[in-house]
Amino acid sequence: DAGVIQSPRHEVTEMGQEVTLRCKPISGHNSLFWYRQTMMRGLELLIYFNNNVPIDDSGMPEDRFSAKMPNASFSTLKIQPSEPRDSAVYFCASSFSGDQETQYFGPGTRLLVL
Amino acid sequence: AQSVTQPDIHITVSEGASLELRCNYSYGATPYLFWYVQSPGQGLQLLLKYFSGDTLVQGIKGFEAEFKRSQSSFNLRKPSVHWSDAAEYFCAVGADSWGKLQFGAGTQVVVTP
Repeated sequence: DAGVIQSPRHEVTEMGQEVTLRCKPISGHNSLFWYRQTMMRGLELLIYFNNNVPIDDSGMPEDRFSAKMPNASFSTLKIQPSEPRDSAVYFCASSFSGDQETQYFGPGTRLLVL
Repeated sequence: AQSVTQPDIHITVSEGASLELRCNYSYGATPYLFWYVQSPGQGLQLLLKYFSGDTLVQGIKGFEAEFKRSQSSFNLRKPSVHWSDAAEYFCAVGADSWGKLQFGAGTQVVVTP
């Protein structure tokens, strides 16, 4: 079984550029979570979806961040414009309704904003 | 509100020695509790979980954890660590009915020869 797939694995961009991170959850999973991990702030939940609907976006740091889930097999996290302080590892995780709290994490996208 | 505390930021243990990682939670009802491990450069992987029943839970890689309601704790243990156990370990509690988890700050484990 393929796990959670994230792309790209690494992204280097310049301040002010738009960044789009992608996630494909495990097939059959209906909850999807976006996290950000930094040394200073640890692991932060940004937003999560259930059946493609955003449930809680209170962790999104500011309006420069947006996330979508157009269908059950794809989600994006967009940062526009990006800033150096957005540099972090971004994780996507998914779970299914029968065991919703057991989250399966992707390998992460390491983002560096110069 | 739910919260999770991992009192130890960093632990160093010798290979072959036992390991115990502490986790305390604050939650109104019977919590769903988890331990995840993150190896360098990797995503988080579930080690074990507790929902109900037997308070001693067995997980993967030889780990176990014990739920103690009276102490609001869910400590992780391994009798004999291997060099490959060097990683960061996160305790988490279920935070809502949608699967949201509240993670602790993590404990970095270093294994020495």
